Parts: sequence; structure tokens; C-alpha cells
Amino acid sequence: AQSVTQLGSHVSVSEGALVLLRCNYSSSVPPYLFWYVQYPNQGLQLLLKYTSAATLVKGINGFEAEFKKSETSFHLTKPSAHMSDAAEYFCAVNLPSSEKLTFGTGTRLTIIP
Amino acid sequence: DTGVSQNPRHKITKRGQNVTFRCDPISEHNRLYWYRQTLGQGPEFLTYFQNEAQLEKSRLLSDRFSAERPKGSFSTLEIQRTEQGDSAMYLCASSLGGDFDTQYFGPGTRLTVL
Repeated sequence: AQSVTQLGSHVSVSEGALVLLRCNYSSSVPPYLFWYVQYPNQGLQLLLKYTSAATLVKGINGFEAEFKKSETSFHLTKPSAHMSDAAEYFCAVNLPSSEKLTFGTGTRLTIIP
Repeated sequence: DTGVSQNPRHKITKRGQNVTFRCDPISEHNRLYWYRQTLGQGPEFLTYFQNEAQLEKSRLLSDRFSAERPKGSFSTLEIQRTEQGDSAMYLCASSLGGDFDTQYFGPGTRLTVL
């Protein structure tokens, strides 16, 4: 079975500060990993995905994530937070043999002016 | 590419009524997925279609729920005899299929059961 744990349901950072959102996964085989962002009353937008190529993945809006097999982690980072980054972020895992995504419970990011 | 669209965006109904939601996927996407998202939780998988064939259903999809994709294009999700516990955001996603597949999500339909 596959699962995802997101540490910290709420994260607050100052504008211009580093953003770090944590995601750990559990999977019996090497998974595909995704980060999605959800703005209020909207659907999910793909930020980036890991599919077993480069371990450092760059996404949209200046976000990136690093796949660390030894730590079973896929943390999301952004060097400098912007007010427009305020949203809910979801980490998701998908086994290569499966079609469904399994999501974490989400992290709400607040940006302090 | 106009994205995944869902209608209605909001639905308020009384307990015991039937409701139906529609999802129009990105054109030429042969896979279509339904997820449910409750407050404070991540989306949970409900079911998945490859063209018109429903290939997987979650245990969350009770017998009051039925999904169809009759011509392999749009899909409908019907909930019969709604209960207050059905209140949630229902999300649809579509994908092309193949290796390294990516699911693209619609804006969702928010259901409130009174």
C-alpha cells in the first residue's frame, strides 16, 4: 500500500523567506511523486512531479522538490516566498502500476507581509 | 486546451434527494477520474475510467454512487438518497495515459446536503 504524510497542517513564513513544506511517503516500490497547489474554491494545479529521472525536480512558480530515497522524503521548497504563494499544498504518490493518486492531508501556507 | 470543466460548481440539496454532477475532460484525454475532498483533507480516489470502461472503484463508492462515461468523453457522477455525510467537494481529473501520466484537475463541484 502507498501513503503520504505531510508534516505540519499549517506553515507561516514571512514574505521573502524560505518556504519548506515536508512530505514523506511510504511505498513498496519506487513511486511517482507529485506536488499540487490548491487556491481557495479552485481545483488542484500541478506544481511538479518526480518520475524516477533527476532527483531534483523544478516546477512552476519557482518551486522545486528533491527526492531522497534514503529518507523517503519529497520536500517542497522555494527560496523566497511571495504573497501569491498563499494556498494549500498537497503531496501525492502514485505507483507506476496504479492509476490512482493517494494524497496527503495538505499544508496550508500563509505568507506574512 | 480549455482544461477540465465541471458543472455545477455548487449544489445544495436536501437529505434524501438525488444529485448528478458532470465532468468534461480535456479533449483527447482517454482517462477520467473522480475524487472526493472533505474539509481539511486531501482528495480521496473514488473511481477511474479508461475511455468508456470503468476500471477501478474505491470502497468509498457505496451503492448509492454511480458513475458513467457513456461515449468515452464526458462523465456523470450520481448520488442517490443523499446523506449529510456526502457533503464534500467532488473533483474530476483527466489524463492522456501512458508512462509518467499526469492528472489535470477541474475546479470541482461543492455539494452541501442539508
